Amino acid sequence: NSKVIQTPRYLVKGQGQKAKMRCIPEKGHPVVFWYQQNKNNEFKFLINFQNQEVLQQIDMTEKRFSAECPSNSPCSLEIQSSEAGDSALYLCASSRDSSGNTLYFGEGSRLIVV
Amino acid sequence: AQSVTQPDARVTVSEGASLQLRCKYSSSVTPYLFWYVQYPRQGLQLLLKYYSGDPVVQGVNGFEAEFSKSNSSFHLRKASVHWSDSAVYFCAVSMMGSGTYQRFGTGTKLQVVP
Repeated sequence: NSKVIQTPRYLVKGQGQKAKMRCIPEKGHPVVFWYQQNKNNEFKFLINFQNQEVLQQIDMTEKRFSAECPSNSPCSLEIQSSEAGDSALYLCASSRDSSGNTLYFGEGSRLIVV
Repeated sequence: AQSVTQPDARVTVSEGASLQLRCKYSSSVTPYLFWYVQYPRQGLQLLLKYYSGDPVVQGVNGFEAEFSKSNSSFHLRKASVHWSDSAVYFCAVSMMGSGTYQRFGTGTKLQVVP
């Protein structure tokens, strides 16, 4: 059973609506990653954090997403204005460090944009 | 940047038969290599990883993988598959160093038939 907790498991949004997903990393893991997995099983790295600080993010994330990992609260990833192409499984993963170590994944939040 | 190719989108094997799932990587230096498994409606779970040393690494549930620098490969093997091994298998690569993230192949869907 996954120790990385993601909520909600499913969300359905209309185009232009906000879509927010949350992630509680495994205890003791300071590094959190967000990936987008599309229906063709292509993974897109979105952003990662170490504690509360952003380590890296892609352009799309910077322009269209809002993400944070506040102290003592779940991490969150929010699409500001959903598009059809955002329909995907959003996976959160945590790690003991940021140097390429094993990722521990949650079960994902499946977003459907109608 | 590193990349991973899994040339077989689908593999079907008979229960009890041996298995090899192929993974080729591209990297200027020896990377960290991982195999993950994803069961339906679940996140990814680590099977095994290679950092350095013995090129044959053992993983969970009887899986092993062999790193080949000359072939830029990290193929996954199992001597005798069980129906419960049916899942999607992902190969991933990352670099040592702070702030790196894993890059994933597009997966191989394994179907084990009676």
